[in-house]
Amino acid sequence: DARVTQTPRHKVTEMGQEVTMRCQPILGHNTVFWYRQTMMQGLELLAYFRNRAPLDDSGMPKDRFSAEMPDATLATLKIQPSEPRDSAVYFCASGWGQGYEQYFGPGTRLTVT
Amino acid sequence: TQLLEQSPQFLSIQEGENLTVYCNSSSVFSSLQWYRQEPGEGPVLLVTVVTGGEVKKLKRLTFQFGDARKDSSLHITAAQPGDTGLYLCAGLDSWGKLQFGAGTQVVVTP
Repeated sequence: DARVTQTPRHKVTEMGQEVTMRCQPILGHNTVFWYRQTMMQGLELLAYFRNRAPLDDSGMPKDRFSAEMPDATLATLKIQPSEPRDSAVYFCASGWGQGYEQYFGPGTRLTVT
Repeated sequence: TQLLEQSPQFLSIQEGENLTVYCNSSSVFSSLQWYRQEPGEGPVLLVTVVTGGEVKKLKRLTFQFGDARKDSSLHITAAQPGDTGLYLCAGLDSWGKLQFGAGTQVVVTP
């Protein structure tokens, strides 16, 4: 049963600290998405990659967020420095092609104090 | 601003009752997806509708895509407690990105 995995599942950190979230997409999927979910804003697309190349990161605060795909089995989302307003659940999703049928991971719940 | 407006925001019903959730937009989408999300988990894809006027059934769930491909509805017949969750619609825009609605929280009590 192929699934998207994310680590860590929960992260509590103090403001100013660096946070790294990791995602392993489903093997064979060529598109990876990063979303953020909050009560106020719902699900927001932060960035996405196709064949490991970044296609769109317009939803991401560029000064503190960065997303990479070092290889086809790993995607990372970093926040440096973290701020309390970054507290949210961050989801990774993978799929094949142009956003058609995305498969979500269980999320990383981030709390920045 | 949400491109996709979902209504109602919250729905609480008794087991056995029927319910309908709506997803509306002024934009045309090439396809529309429905997801269900349970607490502590990511959204899970339920269905994708592509053709205007299309109706798809998944057991007790019926999904309809509007003729103009701007709106959709999800109808659940004889709801069960296992149907409890956050129902999200998402439209695939012309840039190939999914635009999500804010969701409808459904609670089905025994």
